Amino acid sequence: KQEVTQIPAALSVPEGENLVLNCSFTDSAIYNLQWFRQDPGKGLTSLLLIQSSQREQTSGRLNASLDKSSGRSTLYIAASQPGDSATYLCAVDNAGNMLTFGGGTRLMVKP
Amino acid sequence: NAGVMQNPRHLVRRRGQEARLRCSPMKGHSHVYWYRQLPEEGLKFMVYLQKENIIDESGMPKERFSAEFPKEGPSILRIQQVVRGDSAAYFCASSPPGGLTGYTFGSGTRLTVV
Repeated sequence: KQEVTQIPAALSVPEGENLVLNCSFTDSAIYNLQWFRQDPGKGLTSLLLIQSSQREQTSGRLNASLDKSSGRSTLYIAASQPGDSATYLCAVDNAGNMLTFGGGTRLMVKP
Repeated sequence: NAGVMQNPRHLVRRRGQEARLRCSPMKGHSHVYWYRQLPEEGLKFMVYLQKENIIDESGMPKERFSAEFPKEGPSILRIQQVVRGDSAAYFCASSPPGGLTGYTFGSGTRLTVV
């Protein structure tokens, strides 16, 4: 059974800092890994999707890496802004039909 | 392209009533998934459906919960005889066949049982 863990659970940084969010998973036989953002009381916004054959994906100030063999992914946010404050969720797809989510990292970027 | 549409956004039910949650997938997506997010907990898979078929319902509670995705119309998640513990955010996601392009989520339905 796949288990996904995200650390830290919460993070508070001053504006402008570069930061790294971590995600680990127990079963390395994955189809893909997806990072989402969730604002309080809102839905999920997809940030980046990494296929199992890929090592990283980039979108703007975001970069996600994937190391399947070690069961790890990181989400790097450059030059953080107050608007980046949200919960970031890592989700792993093992069979192409179901996501297993981590508990999320609650990020607060202070002006 | 309207994305994944869920309604209602908020739903209040008294204990013992029925709750019906609706989800229309993105245009071109034929696969629908339901997830539940309990207060202060992570998102948990409930059920995966294709048109007129339940493919995987391993995450569905055994009683009171059912889901369908008819040939015409939205997918429906139905909760009978709701209890306070059913209060949660219910999210629908859709994907094209294969799941290799990831999943698109709706804004969710927040169910409150009073």
